[in-house]
Amino acid sequence: AQTVTQSQPEMSVQEAETVTLSCTYDTSESDYYLFWYKQPPSRQMILVIRQEAYKQQNATENRFSVNFQKAAKSFSLKISDSQLGDAAMYFCAYRSSQGAQKLVFGQGTRLTINP
Amino acid sequence: ETGVTQSPTHLIKTRGQQVTLRCSSQSGHNTVSWYQQALGQGPQFIFQYYREEENGRGNFPPRFSGLQFPNYSSELNVNALELDDSALYLCASSLVSRGGRNTQYFGPGTRLTVL
Repeated sequence: AQTVTQSQPEMSVQEAETVTLSCTYDTSESDYYLFWYKQPPSRQMILVIRQEAYKQQNATENRFSVNFQKAAKSFSLKISDSQLGDAAMYFCAYRSSQGAQKLVFGQGTRLTINP
Repeated sequence: ETGVTQSPTHLIKTRGQQVTLRCSSQSGHNTVSWYQQALGQGPQFIFQYYREEENGRGNFPPRFSGLQFPNYSSELNVNALELDDSALYLCASSLVSRGGRNTQYFGPGTRLTVL
């Protein structure tokens, strides 16, 4: 079974600075998808960025980018120019390309932005 | 806003009762997945419905059941409620198609408290 590990329960960063959240995963599959979701206090899970495993190029979405290391099974999220609205729980998630396509989530990292 | 809605927002039940949670999918989506998120944890996959059929199930007992309707809305039913069922229940909809992105978009969740 696939597992996702986020080793940083909490992180904090100064507004306008850059922060990197870590995620590792375990799988025997070669084709899969990885996601970062953000969950603010409002509870709604919001998609931040996604990465297809077959793509070598790292995904980017405005201030958000990933460092995808397939061999190391590592998938970190970099947030540039941090803003107060970025404060939230961040979850890394894995999805197989086969079967029910369920999301397997990590335990989450709580990100605090200091003004 | 993802276009995925859930009702009710909050619910309080007593042990042994039954509960029904509802989810309305984003327009054009054909798949609904349900997740349970205990306090301080990442979401756990309960099951997925595709074209009104169960399409995969996580490690949850049979007292967790569901339905998907022709308009792709969905219900999650939990019988014989236990204290450990207290959690945030998240619904996610997606468009599953061959070669499609199949990204899951989440609703705001239903907070269930079992006393």
